[in-house]
Amino acid sequence: KNEVEQSPQNLTAQEGEFITINCSYSVGISALHWLQQHPGGGIVSLFMLSSGKKKHGRLIATINIQEKHSSLHITASHPRDSAVYICAAIVPSNTDKLIFGTGTRLQVFP
Amino acid sequence: EAQVTQNPRYLITVTGKKLTVTCSQNMNHEYMSWYRQDPGLGLRQIYYSMNVEVTDKGDVPEGYKVSRKEKRNFPLILESPSPNQTSLYFCASRGGLNTEAFFGQGTRLTVV
Repeated sequence: KNEVEQSPQNLTAQEGEFITINCSYSVGISALHWLQQHPGGGIVSLFMLSSGKKKHGRLIATINIQEKHSSLHITASHPRDSAVYICAAIVPSNTDKLIFGTGTRLQVFP
Repeated sequence: EAQVTQNPRYLITVTGKKLTVTCSQNMNHEYMSWYRQDPGLGLRQIYYSMNVEVTDKGDVPEGYKVSRKEKRNFPLILESPSPNQTSLYFCASRGGLNTEAFFGQGTRLTVV
């Protein structure tokens, strides 16, 4: 069993829909990243959070440390949101350790 | 502009021919890492460095070498590439513990 699990693996949506991607982890973490990877593209950090909620434009990320769960929400989804979304847990250690989920592939159709 | 720069973006090479993928960051970050990304396996850490002249193995270090002679640069060296090293490689840097990671654009390597 992976230490960081994402669901769903694949997600399709119509433009304008509200989208939720979930990330659960079984290890102790100090913070969690949400990353975005467009096809053929690099990886961009959307959020890093250790508690509560962060918002940037149409994107909202929440984390519940006690429940070991984080969600990424996209409001009013758009075809340009089509990408792979990856959560990555920052493990409290004396190493540069990130544990990655296997990603959620999102396709938003017009 | 804060960035991590990898070169080359694409590389096709033959088995056994030594190659180097360069990585440079302009944010004065302490931490740098190399990852490979394979379908179904996600991102896996190859090597990391937490300071100049300090490097350590990640989860999949076999067949790779790294060096950190200066803070900004962290090259990945494949002394004798093999087809199972065909992958998408990412360099990343962070300022320290609990700080945001910045990723390069990726290097798609094919070893034939």
